[in-house]
Order: sequence, then structure tokens, then C-alpha cells
Amino acid sequence: EADIYQTPRYLVIGTGKKITLECSQTMGHDKMYWYQQDPGMELHLIHYSYGVNSTEKGDLSSESTVSRIRTEHFPLTLESARPSHTSQYLCASSRTGDQPQHFGDGTRLSIL
Amino acid sequence: SQQGEEDPQALSIQEGENATMNCSYKTSINNLQWYRQNSGRGLVHLILIRSNEREKHSGRLRVTLDTSKKSSSLLITASRAADTASYFCAGNQFYFGTGTSLTVIP
Repeated sequence: EADIYQTPRYLVIGTGKKITLECSQTMGHDKMYWYQQDPGMELHLIHYSYGVNSTEKGDLSSESTVSRIRTEHFPLTLESARPSHTSQYLCASSRTGDQPQHFGDGTRLSIL
Repeated sequence: SQQGEEDPQALSIQEGENATMNCSYKTSINNLQWYRQNSGRGLVHLILIRSNEREKHSGRLRVTLDTSKKSSSLLITASRAADTASYFCAGNQFYFGTGTSLTVIP
């Protein structure tokens, strides 16, 4: 079903490490998004992109960065992981801003 | 929530019954979308209703939209155990509600 892929699926890592979460889509979508979601809770927008070389901050963008060098690839980087970063991270893409979003299955991140 | 709330937060029904979830949002919208999320997975898009539409159907799903009240409802008819999931509404691209957790008991 998914044409959007996130790796790793699970990651357990120590405090202070630099982490990059990968997200790739094969649909040629211009719009891509990163969300943070705690179990059973709402989604919070971290970053989004309208296309190559375009990135915007969401409501929860502190302590992380993104890049969009290629249409299909939208990695999220945490420069120095902290226990407060423990959460699920969801990547999504859409053809336009008003069109449905396609989600990956997420990366479940645990910072010790 | 930045955008809105779903109600109820949790719903438990017997297989074959109908399930109704409500969504209220805060700002004006171009469209409203409903998504389903199975445990441990990403969200899956179910249905989109535009601001000039009042009702939309897709299979066992019926969505209504009342822009004057800034609210929407999702009705799932003849529920199945496989419908067990969390359901989210989203307006204006990337503002999702708090979700309704639906459990369908076989």
C-alpha cells in the first residue's frame, strides 16, 4: 500500500547522539511533511517542504533540521538526541497542499 | 489541539453496529479530511470533503460537514472488527485533531 518509506522502523540510542531519520517517496509528490506523535495522541507538525530546496518550520521544529535536495528524499536530523525526543516520527507526502497525504509507517525512537 | 478536537475520545461498539465520530475545528477550511491509523502504523486517508460540500459517501463511510458550526462527522455503518483503529480529522493541510479510538468487538 505505501509508496513512502521510512527507516529505521525502530531506533534505541543514547543521549547526545546525532540521528538522521530517513524518508523517501516514489510518487513524485512535491509536498512532504514530518510529524511527531506520542502514543494515542495527536500529530504535531515538525517541518514541511513544498519542493526541492524548500523547507519550512512547523509548530515543533526546535532541535531538528531537514533538507530537501531531491524530490523523493526528506531526511530529518536531530543534532543531539535527548530523552524528550522519545516519540514516533511520521513522514508524509502529498501532490498539492490540499490533496490527501500519504504516510509512512513511522520511526519509533527511544532515547536512553 | 492546534486545529480541533474529535469526540468521543474513545468508542467501543459491537460488530455490525454503526459508529459515529465528530470533529470540531477552529479556523476556516478549504477541505476537511478523515484518516484512519491502525496501531503502530502510519495514517491512511479515508475521505475528503470540500468546504462547499455538505455530505459525502464512500462505501460504508458517510461524512458530513457543517461549516457554520465548524464541525464534521464520520459515520461508519455495519462496523467490522477490522475497523478497530484511531480516526483523525484534518483541516487545512497539516492540522490534525486529537483522534477517536474505535474498538469494534467481534
